[in-house]
Amino acid sequence: EAGVAQSPRYKIIEKRQSVAFWCNPISGHATLYWYQQILGQGPKLLIQFQNNGVVDDSQLPKDRFSAERLKGVDSTLKIQPAKLEDSAVYLCASSLAYGSYEQYFGPGTRLTVT
Amino acid sequence: AQRVTQPEKLLSVFKGAPVELKCNYSYSGSPELFWYVQYSRQRLQLLLRHISRESIKGFTADLNKGETSFHLKKPFAQEEDSAMYYCAPAGGTSYGKLTFGQGTILTVHP
Repeated sequence: EAGVAQSPRYKIIEKRQSVAFWCNPISGHATLYWYQQILGQGPKLLIQFQNNGVVDDSQLPKDRFSAERLKGVDSTLKIQPAKLEDSAVYLCASSLAYGSYEQYFGPGTRLTVT
Repeated sequence: AQRVTQPEKLLSVFKGAPVELKCNYSYSGSPELFWYVQYSRQRLQLLLRHISRESIKGFTADLNKGETSFHLKKPFAQEEDSAMYYCAPAGGTSYGKLTFGQGTILTVHP
């Protein structure tokens, strides 16, 4: 089966600019996650979707980050405006169902904010 | 608050030596415990979960509820075990959510 797809793989922007990331989960996976991984740290969950509804967005900086999962399949994560501290790898993952902890990760998008 | 600690950022061993990657957690409720691994130029992937009690690629992990630890062990390390390893408790009062540790980079020298 095809894995989780993410694009772009790399992005360099200046602070105060906006950026968007795209994720296509494994077909049939109901749950989708966005993680932020800052260099030297483990992935931190930003937002979790069950189908097209948000289950957990408690760690999403909502003043600048937004995410949606239209039609319960693809998802986009947006940052507007970006700050230097947003430089990180953004990982998308999916799992078959809510509460399934076997998550399948995409390759990630490496964001550099200058 | 849910917290997981992997005290070793870097761990180096020689091929054939035993290896133990430590993980301690502080978690509300009764979490499930997982180890995830990321090999060079590959995606983050599940290695093993404590409820399965399996040995995956020669690795085992013992859950010690008294010490709240979930250390990953392998009796004879191989060069292909070199990777980043993350301990990840899940569930409990944070149902559906994994909390990743900071990770341990394991290097197995020939």
